[in-house]
Amino acid sequence: ETGVTQTPRHLVMGMTNKKSLKCEQHLGHNAMYWYKQSAKKPLELMFVYSLEERVENNSVPSRFSPECPNSSHLFLHLHTLQPEDSALYLCASRATGSHGYTFGSGTRLTVV
Amino acid sequence: SQQGEEDPQALSIQEGENATMNCSYKTSINNLQWYRQNSGRGLVHLILIRSNEREKHSGRLRVTLDTSKKSSSLLITASRAADTASYFCAIEISSGSARQLTFGSGTQLTVLP
Repeated sequence: ETGVTQTPRHLVMGMTNKKSLKCEQHLGHNAMYWYKQSAKKPLELMFVYSLEERVENNSVPSRFSPECPNSSHLFLHLHTLQPEDSALYLCASRATGSHGYTFGSGTRLTVV
Repeated sequence: SQQGEEDPQALSIQEGENATMNCSYKTSINNLQWYRQNSGRGLVHLILIRSNEREKHSGRLRVTLDTSKKSSSLLITASRAADTASYFCAIEISSGSARQLTFGSGTQLTVLP
């Protein structure tokens, strides 16, 4: 375990479902990230929460909605997804002043 | 894209041989990092090289950085079957007050026993 925990590990959902992915770290890090990893594509940064500021990739559809209630927890709320959203969703965290990123094991999402 | 392609996309070698992977990028960087990913799992940080460094070692890993050519290489010496994984380079950039990593497409390394 890296210290960044993602749940669930696997998720299958229909296109009309609403679900949430959870990421949790108790490493004292205060920047958290959501990345999407699709087959044969580079990792795509979706959202960044750093010092309570949210930075997002403007190409991310609104059916993905992040929430960061505190520096230890990060959620990705999913609503009316499409089959092409099936991917591995990775969470990462980083401490202020550090250049090292710690990744979770990911949630494998399948949209049917 | 701020990140180029990694080369090769796939590499297959015999145990004991050295493996070299290359990475190119397009922007100015503060640092470049290499990560490893076992199939379907999270990424593990291997090594970071700053823009003012040219070479760095960590165990069997050797990373070089050529900022004039905007390229980096990762050398794994005396490879083992357990080194089989995907390897990614990533450049760290700043967006406002947030730092973020931008990744390449990765090299799939297979080490045959």
